Amino acid sequence: DTGVSQDPRHKITKRGQNVTFRCDPISEHNRLYWYRQTLGQGPEFLTYFQNEAQLEKSRLLSDRFSAERPKGSFSTLEIQRTEQGDSAMYLCASMTQGTPLHFGNGTRLTVT
Amino acid sequence: QKEVEQNSGPLSVPEGAIASLNCTYSDRGSQSFFWYRQYSGKSPELIMFIYSNGDKEDGRFTAQLNKASQYVSLLIRDSQPSDSATYLCAVTHGTGGFKTIFGAGTRLFVKA
Repeated sequence: DTGVSQDPRHKITKRGQNVTFRCDPISEHNRLYWYRQTLGQGPEFLTYFQNEAQLEKSRLLSDRFSAERPKGSFSTLEIQRTEQGDSAMYLCASMTQGTPLHFGNGTRLTVT
Repeated sequence: QKEVEQNSGPLSVPEGAIASLNCTYSDRGSQSFFWYRQYSGKSPELIMFIYSNGDKEDGRFTAQLNKASQYVSLLIRDSQPSDSATYLCAVTHGTGGFKTIFGAGTRLFVKA
């Protein structure tokens, strides 16, 4: 068990560019979650997968955001045409039924 | 009404005192309740989880759940300066308990 791994740790991009983040969950965890956190707020739910199926996506998530988990293992979160309001910490977490969420170290996105 | 509400604080207690953190939630169907600790710039880490009404103790930490009042609390005994952090209350609900929703967190300062 090496924990949840996220890459990159930091990303600085210019407004309008696309960015992609990767998350590798704990190997035996079949559920994978993406959250976004801004300063002074708790993690905000974005989407989650059970195996390769994306089962729920937040209504707050614009069409510029897309997530995949093609083989039920790692996941990617892509943000197209980034905006300054997308600047945040993007957290990935994984779990299996009956266990709590285990978080990765997060990817901090800064849009200039 | 937010789904999970916490007093944002800051809550300041002297070293050695008991810190009491509170949380209310709106969904009566909520099934699992968690407390996470988050240091500045770091990802949340699990401290306690509780599923049934009553108290659950783990070392210096006690979680309390009252489903009738939709209330969860965390007591930290013998508070230490290293306990200074933001404490996030989280609630899992939805069919099968799939989605975990977080409060905004309470900032705790323990004065040496």
